[in-house]
Amino acid sequence: DIQMTQSPSSLSASVGDRVTITCRASQDISNYLAWFQQKAGKAPKSLIYAASSLQSGVPSKFSGSGSGTDFTLTISSLQPEDFATYYCQQYNSYPWTFGQGTKVEIK
Amino acid sequence: EVQLVESGGGLVQPGGSLRLSCAASGFTFSSYWMSWVRQAPGKGLEWVANIKQDGSEKYFVDSVKGRFTISKDNAKNSLYLQMNSLRAEDTAVYYCVRLGELDYFEYWGQGTLVTVSS
Repeated sequence: DIQMTQSPSSLSASVGDRVTITCRASQDISNYLAWFQQKAGKAPKSLIYAASSLQSGVPSKFSGSGSGTDFTLTISSLQPEDFATYYCQQYNSYPWTFGQGTKVEIK
Repeated sequence: EVQLVESGGGLVQPGGSLRLSCAASGFTFSSYWMSWVRQAPGKGLEWVANIKQDGSEKYFVDSVKGRFTISKDNAKNSLYLQMNSLRAEDTAVYYCVRLGELDYFEYWGQGTLVTVSS
């Protein structure tokens, strides 16, 4: 199975900060990488697919990059509605697997 | 607008069975792969199963193989998850998810809670 490791597990940031979350795959997954946002008590929401493609309707402050084993999600200017937990997920091969999540909290 | 509405969750004893349903609307259901993803209380996300548009291909995480079955009824725009021999570790919110044309989790339902406890 492909292991997905996110870092950090949590972070504290201020409104307006630029935030970067890293996701590392245990083997090459090409660009079969997605990012999701989940707010407390809510269903996850798709943000990025194919490592860097923005899901329709998602604001451009979110961006993704990377290929192979190393990927990043960047939020260019953190807003109050962005405080949430973020997950990466590989869909290169079964079983599809998620990272453990990164909780973004208010500083 | 894509809508996915899960139902069928509840409290069940260990060893019992439960059938989850997902009613889909706002898109051509027969044209998309569908998935179930679960989340144990306070934990992360775990992919459970996928099914191809016509039901001809199905994939499962190892922990549910032989116990869970995924199916879809394209005439009723519905996805199902039959869960047998349930264990405490199956306790989770179960999400119905539509895959995008590039095979990623595109749209999520609101989830239904399954609790396995005596």
